[in-house]
Formats: sequence, C-alpha cells, structure tokens
Amino acid sequence: AQKVTQAQTEISVVEKEDVTLDCVYETRDTTYYLFWYKQPPSGELVFLIRRNSFDEQNEISGRYSWNFQKSTSSFNFTITASQVVDSAVYFCALSEALSRSNYQLIWGAGTKLIIKP
Amino acid sequence: DGGITQSPKYLFRKEGQNVTLSCEQNLNHDAMYWYRQDPGQGLRLIYYSQIVNDFQKGDIAEGYSVSREKKESFPLTVTSAQKNPTAFYLCASSFRQEQFFGPGTRLTVL
Repeated sequence: AQKVTQAQTEISVVEKEDVTLDCVYETRDTTYYLFWYKQPPSGELVFLIRRNSFDEQNEISGRYSWNFQKSTSSFNFTITASQVVDSAVYFCALSEALSRSNYQLIWGAGTKLIIKP
Repeated sequence: DGGITQSPKYLFRKEGQNVTLSCEQNLNHDAMYWYRQDPGQGLRLIYYSQIVNDFQKGDIAEGYSVSREKKESFPLTVTSAQKNPTAFYLCASSFRQEQFFGPGTRLTVL
C-alpha cells in the first residue's frame, strides 16, 4: 500500500540553524511523484516542490534543498539558515494514480517546524 | 487572479444539521478534490471529481456528499450522518500531478 511517513512530529531550532525534515515513502508504482507542501498558521497549503521518480537529482531553491534517494525511498527537505518565517507545518506527499490522467496524493502526518528568534 | 476560493472561512453548525461548503476555481482545471484535516494529522481524501457530472468516493466519504454540475464548482455537503464533522476542510484542483489548494473552511459542530 502507498504510504508516507514523516517520523518527526515537531522540530524546534534557533534561527539561522540548518534543519532537515525527513520523509520516507512506500509505493508499488514504478512511476510516481513526490511533493512537499508548507502549511503556515493561516491553514492554506503552499506548494514547494514536485519530484518525478525518474529524476534523482537534488534540487536547490534559495535556502531550500531536497535530497531524493530512491534506494532508501526517502525525499528529505533541508532549510539552510532558517528564519522565523519558516515556522509552519510541512507535509510530504506521494502521488497515487486514480486513472490514466488523474492522481490523488497520499499525505504524511506533517512535521511542525518551530523557528525561535 | 486565478485561484481557488472557499467559503465561508469559519462555519458553525448545530448537531443534526446538514451544511454545504463552497469551492470555486477559475484555473480551468478538470479535476477537483475535497480533503479533511484533523489536528496534528495529514490530509484525507473525501471525494474527487475528474470531470463535470462525475465524482468518486475517496477514503472517508461516509457522511458526505458532493456535486459537480459546473467545471468551476465542487460543493461539499456535510450531512448529519457524519459522526464527527468538526475539522478543517480543504478543496483542491489539479493540473497533471500538481494540486492547488483553497484557503480552507474550518467547520465546528456545536
């Protein structure tokens, strides 16, 4: 069965520290997509990244970087030099095909990240 | 601006009443979804619709109903059969694999 595990329920760091959020997934599909979303206190989900299972290159976007390792079924997310505005709940998600052209997302439970000033 | 709107932002309901949550999108997406989020939990799929006049049950459809009469609109009704309806409800639409979310409706049953 498809499953996403975010083992870290809550992480608290001091501003400017680096922090890594872990995501481990299980899937029977050979082609799939992985996502990270950010949910600030307002509740709206903000898309951060999508990664295709065939593309194992790491990605960097400003202070954010993602490490996709198919061998360990992990898709970890690192924030470098964290800022208070990074405080939010972060969700990792895995696509599951509903039909040829439509997908649903299987969600992890989320990691609450607290950045202290 | 293109996006997804949900209304109302906060909703209070008396036990035993049905209530309808609105979701509208102007992104011209075919697929739309309803999720439920409980405190400290991830999202769980209630219903989804891949095209107008068609919708399918998700993992937790019991006690909910939907309609998809227009491409832009996918309202969710929380019926009195839903045993524990207090939650945060998120609507989404998708283009290929990426899902775009509305701001959510927080439903509280009194």
